[in-house]
Amino acid sequence: RKEVEQDPGPFNVPEGATVAFNCTYSNSASQSFFWYRQDCRKEPKLLMSVYSSGNEDGRFTAQLNRASQYISLLIRDSKLSDSATYLCVVSELTGGGNKLTFGTGTQLKVEL
Amino acid sequence: DTAVSQTPKYLVTQMGNDKSIKCEQNLGHDTMYWYKQDSKKFLKIMFSYNNKELIINETVPNRFSPKSPDKAHLNLHINSLELGDSAVYFCASSPYRQVQETQYFGPGTRLLVL
Repeated sequence: RKEVEQDPGPFNVPEGATVAFNCTYSNSASQSFFWYRQDCRKEPKLLMSVYSSGNEDGRFTAQLNRASQYISLLIRDSKLSDSATYLCVVSELTGGGNKLTFGTGTQLKVEL
Repeated sequence: DTAVSQTPKYLVTQMGNDKSIKCEQNLGHDTMYWYKQDSKKFLKIMFSYNNKELIINETVPNRFSPKSPDKAHLNLHINSLELGDSAVYFCASSPYRQVQETQYFGPGTRLLVL
């Protein structure tokens, strides 16, 4: 079983749609949680951190359920420019430093 | 200003060759990382260095040898390249032992082994 699991998609949605991505993680020692975005042939970039109380950044809302080890990302009013792969990431501070574990990503395609 | 830079951007080489990838960050971070993203787009950590000291080594073949001449640079040398080494290699950096801090990635080096 992968440490961080995501539905690979692709999710094909029309502009203006609301789309939700889910993620589960297996390591209960995980301490921080993030959503990254990766455009085709580009590096991953931080989209937002995820907090237990839930947090919102414009059209993006992230939720964390530590008991269920579940993370979600909601995108409202999708834009063409939202088309990308969304990576669920968990972080653990080990003796060796800050270790990020990435999910395999969920591909989003927003269409006209 | 480029925060994390890598060279080269593309690398095409023959099996059995030895090659190096360089990484530099100007963010003043203490910790740098190497990741490998395979053909299935799975991104996995390989190494982590803090202030020139190796702190994470994730079961990588010893053909891969990272070197950090100073905390702003982390290079990756690969000996005896194999077909399976073909991937995109990303360098990243972050402040040390700040679990809430994210990591900043370089643009990647696309390695193709023929």
